[in-house]
Amino acid sequence: GENVEQHPSTLSVQEGDSAVIKCTYSDSASNYFPWYKQELGKRPQLIIDIRSNVGEKKDQRIAVTLNKTAKHFSLHITETQPEDSAVYFCAASIGDTGRRALTFGSGTRLQVQP
Amino acid sequence: DTGVSQDPRHKITKRGQNVTFRCDPISEHNRLYWYRQTLGQGPEFLTYFQNEAQLEKSRLLSDRFSAERPKGSFSTLEIQRTEQGDSAMYLCASSASDGVANEKLFFGSGTQLSVL
Repeated sequence: GENVEQHPSTLSVQEGDSAVIKCTYSDSASNYFPWYKQELGKRPQLIIDIRSNVGEKKDQRIAVTLNKTAKHFSLHITETQPEDSAVYFCAASIGDTGRRALTFGSGTRLQVQP
Repeated sequence: DTGVSQDPRHKITKRGQNVTFRCDPISEHNRLYWYRQTLGQGPEFLTYFQNEAQLEKSRLLSDRFSAERPKGSFSTLEIQRTEQGDSAMYLCASSASDGVANEKLFFGSGTQLSVL
């Protein structure tokens, strides 16, 4: 089955700096890659996603890049703010032709220091 | 509230007891998922339904776990003969199939299970 590895497990940055979180996946058939943000004691919430037919997607301060050849994708947060502090999870799934359920990475705890 | 709701929020039980959790998805969503999350880990897939059909179940899932979605709306997850290792947050999520592999999951707040 699919295996998603995520690193780093913890990341501390100064407010205003950029943060990058990287994930690799094992199943080359995977074609959907979302990122979820989970604040302490709250539910995971989707912040951005990308499908395999594009290499990059941006939404204000966050962006995701995908390299299908290398089977890795990354989350980029620019101009970080204290409210960005949370645990971020990447995930992958195959979609309609295969396993629809998402496989999640183990998470990255991002701490933005004011 | 039109989000995914789960009940109860917390459950404390003794080892060997059975527990049942309920999930009410977003009303127009036809897909419903159960995940389990332990501290410091990502959500781990348990099972998923499309309407009332259970289409996939994790190979790691013990036969003590069973899930139902009898009318394609709410779902229940039952754990029989609970063990201390079952202690975790049980998350439910739902999504809408738009025919284009739309997998945007909306999560509930979860049921925190503690097995003593």
